[in-house]
Amino acid sequence: GAVVSQHPSRVICKSGTSVKIECRSLDFQATTMFWYRQFPKQSLMLMATSNEGSKATYEQGVEKDKFLINHASLTLSTLTVTSAHPEDSSFYICSASTGTGKNIQYFGAGTRLSVL
Amino acid sequence: GDSVTQMEGPVTLSEEAFLTINCTYTATGYPSLFWYVQYPGEGLQLLLKATKADDKGSNKGFEATYRKETTSFHLEKGSVQVSDSAVYFCALNNNAGNMLTFGGGTRLMVKP
Repeated sequence: GAVVSQHPSRVICKSGTSVKIECRSLDFQATTMFWYRQFPKQSLMLMATSNEGSKATYEQGVEKDKFLINHASLTLSTLTVTSAHPEDSSFYICSASTGTGKNIQYFGAGTRLSVL
Repeated sequence: GDSVTQMEGPVTLSEEAFLTINCTYTATGYPSLFWYVQYPGEGLQLLLKATKADDKGSNKGFEATYRKETTSFHLEKGSVQVSDSAVYFCALNNNAGNMLTFGGGTRLMVKP
């Protein structure tokens, strides 16, 4: 089946630093990738949708300058949390989808970010 | 807009008990419906799906039937195991952009 690799799985950083999270589709080409944030014991909140070669579409309330998304190729999307602060601590999950229409999203294992 | 409502947890069951997690949705048109499972500290895994009315999705002993008349997609399993303990998310996809609308998640705890 389709595999999505997300790296790192866990990161601890100091306040003010930037953190990059990678999301790779290993055995398929992902036309669209999604980035979610999940707070403890809550559902997933969609942050942004990225299509290869174009700018990401951010959901309302998500700061695009804070959460930089780059979808450089059909197999790689990155999320950079810039100047991270403790309130950015969360579980970030990416997913990837093939083609168009109501296709399945395949999820990465998630990245737990802790900002000290 | 589209929405998904699922029963609040946690749901606590003994091993081999019957499981039902209710899920209802509101959407225009004909969405695809999904159940995802999230084990502790991990991302989401697709458990099963159904793309049209009366379809039954099934996997690993779990099943759910797409009921358009009741706008429901309830998850069932005849005999749960401790290893089924996880959070289950019901979701729908109703657009060409592949965006998923998730329910709030239901935590299942199975005790030996």
